[in-house]
Amino acid sequence: KAGVTQTPRYLIKTRGQQVTLSCSPISGHRSVSWYQQTPGQGLQFLFEYFSETQRNKGNFPGRFSGRQFSNSRSEMNVSTLELGDSALYLCASSLGDRTSGANVLTFGAGSRLTVL
Amino acid sequence: AQTVTQSQPEMSVQEAETVTLSCTYDTSENNYYLFWYKQPPSRQMILVIRQEAYKQQNATENRFSVNFQKAAKSFSLKISDSQLGDTAMYFCALPGTYKYIFGTGTRLKVLA
Repeated sequence: KAGVTQTPRYLIKTRGQQVTLSCSPISGHRSVSWYQQTPGQGLQFLFEYFSETQRNKGNFPGRFSGRQFSNSRSEMNVSTLELGDSALYLCASSLGDRTSGANVLTFGAGSRLTVL
Repeated sequence: AQTVTQSQPEMSVQEAETVTLSCTYDTSENNYYLFWYKQPPSRQMILVIRQEAYKQQNATENRFSVNFQKAAKSFSLKISDSQLGDTAMYFCALPGTYKYIFGTGTRLKVLA
């Protein structure tokens, strides 16, 4: 069974540019979550999608957006990049049932974004 | 608000020894799950162990076990017979509403 696939793994951008990150979940998983990981802030929740609907959003500016497609694949976009956006962006998929212990997150390897 | 606190930023342990990582949390839910995730230097986060709050028995997965104290809202991870491959960041996590709340992590280094 293929795991969670994130692309690209590494990317370098300059301030003001935009970036799109992609996440393909485990087959059968309908929920995709995104987290930003930085040394100072740890893992910060960005958003969660289930069946193409955003069910929750973290405390990030509107420059951060995402979407989910009918095949459960998800993308997140960051516009007008700032130096502080440099981070590891982790995607995680799950079955999506909030109340079930089976709702274990399976993470991808992450996309390392460096903003110069 | 739900919170997760890990008060040990870094720890080290000798190979084959036992180490305990601490985690405290706060939630108003009565039934919930708690998780420990491990992130090795290669970065992919993997599940180590999970505990369901209404279960009295502490969860165990091979060398990994938890000490779950519901009243104290404490959820520590014990690693027995530590191995070099246990070197990683360890995160305690509490599921919230369509998201997880993670602690800031404990960087564990296993020394040869």
